[in-house]
Amino acid sequence: QVQLVQSGAEVKKPGASVKVSCKASGYTFTDYFVHWVRQAPGQGLEWMGRINPNTGGTKFAQRFQGRVTMTKDTSISTAYMDLSRLRSDDTAVYYCARGFSSWYGDPWGQGTLVTVSS
Amino acid sequence: QSALTQPPSASGSPGQSVTISCTGTSSDVGGYKYVSWYQQHPGKAPKLMIYEVSERPSGVPDRFSGSKSANTASLTVSGLQAEDEADYYCSSYADSNNPVVFGGGTKLTVL
Repeated sequence: QVQLVQSGAEVKKPGASVKVSCKASGYTFTDYFVHWVRQAPGQGLEWMGRINPNTGGTKFAQRFQGRVTMTKDTSISTAYMDLSRLRSDDTAVYYCARGFSSWYGDPWGQGTLVTVSS
Repeated sequence: QSALTQPPSASGSPGQSVTISCTGTSSDVGGYKYVSWYQQHPGKAPKLMIYEVSERPSGVPDRFSGSKSANTASLTVSGLQAEDEADYYCSSYADSNNPVVFGGGTKLTVL
């Protein structure tokens, strides 16, 4: 079955960077986008961007431009999201999702909690 | 503040129907058929319930339906069941620097 499995929880200090991985299985990795969405504690969903695993092309939400990088390793069907210059308000659960051309995600990974604290 | 507006809460008794609205603009909900809805239970990842306004993925009960009129999309849950109690988020493609926008979420309570 189609599945996305993310890396484990991270604790980072302000100013550091974090890299979250998302390993896909059950489908051809290069046939679908990978979206990244985050959810701060008790808050709603926020789209961060997406990557095309076939071309490596990316599209980011404006507020993350310059601070987020999305990459992929097709040999192991894994996408990565790297967020730099972390602040306390970056504390959130980060999700990846298989993306379709109609801009929706299905299914989603289990989520990765990133805690930013001094 | 979320780009799309949803009521913070909705409720209904088992067996009843409830409709959750999602209001945007002509630059997002009203301009495209790319509206989707997600269900999220506490501590779980979101699950796709509706895509392209009214399409239902395989495995999603036909009690869930979606529609759109002008700049407002709606999710209707018919024959409410206890397991439908969750948070629901709408999402839309947007003709802007942020191509995917979400609503703030609606907490559905089954009384």
